[in-house]
Amino acid sequence: AQSVTQLGSHVSVSEGALVLLRCNYSSSVPPYLFWYVQYPNQGLQLLLKYTSAATLVKGINGFEAEFKKSETSFHLTKPSAHMSDAAEYFCAVSEPPNYGGSQGNLIFGKGTKLSVKP
Amino acid sequence: EAQVTQNPRYLITVTGKKLTVTCSQNMNHEYMSWYRQDPGLGLRQIYYSMNVEVTDKGDVPEGYKVSRKEKRNFPLILESPSPNQTSLYFCASNRANTGELFFGEGSRLTVL
Repeated sequence: AQSVTQLGSHVSVSEGALVLLRCNYSSSVPPYLFWYVQYPNQGLQLLLKYTSAATLVKGINGFEAEFKKSETSFHLTKPSAHMSDAAEYFCAVSEPPNYGGSQGNLIFGKGTKLSVKP
Repeated sequence: EAQVTQNPRYLITVTGKKLTVTCSQNMNHEYMSWYRQDPGLGLRQIYYSMNVEVTDKGDVPEGYKVSRKEKRNFPLILESPSPNQTSLYFCASNRANTGELFFGEGSRLTVL
């Protein structure tokens, strides 16, 4: 069974500061990992994804995440926070298709709400 | 424009009154799914469909039904809604072999 744990339901940073949102996963097979962002009153949109290629993945809006198998982690970072980054962020895991994964059957973490102070 | 469209966006209903939330996608995606989002619980999958006439239960299917008669549509049916189904519902679609879900804007349902 797969699971995702996001450490910290709320994270607050100052504008210009480093953003670090933590995600640890559990999976019995090499996972596919995702970060999604949800802006207020909107659906989720994909920020970035890891699908067993490069371990450092770059996404939209300056975000990136590094897959660390030894730490079972996929933390999301951004060097300098912007006010527009305020949103809720979700980490998700799925099994790859070649392991019989039900594509589209993502397991989501509980989310981390990011606040950015001026 | 590629999109997933859900209707209604907001609905207040009473216990036991059947309702349907529609979902339509225009990207010719094979996979479609329904999630509910509740504070502190994140998103939990209700049902998913891998293609026309192929559906399966997700993590929280109780009290819900779905159908996939056409590739583009995946309605969520609450036969007898109860207050614990008050939630924010999202429909999503994706192409086979990718985990990149495209989400609708959500349907906020309140059951009194």
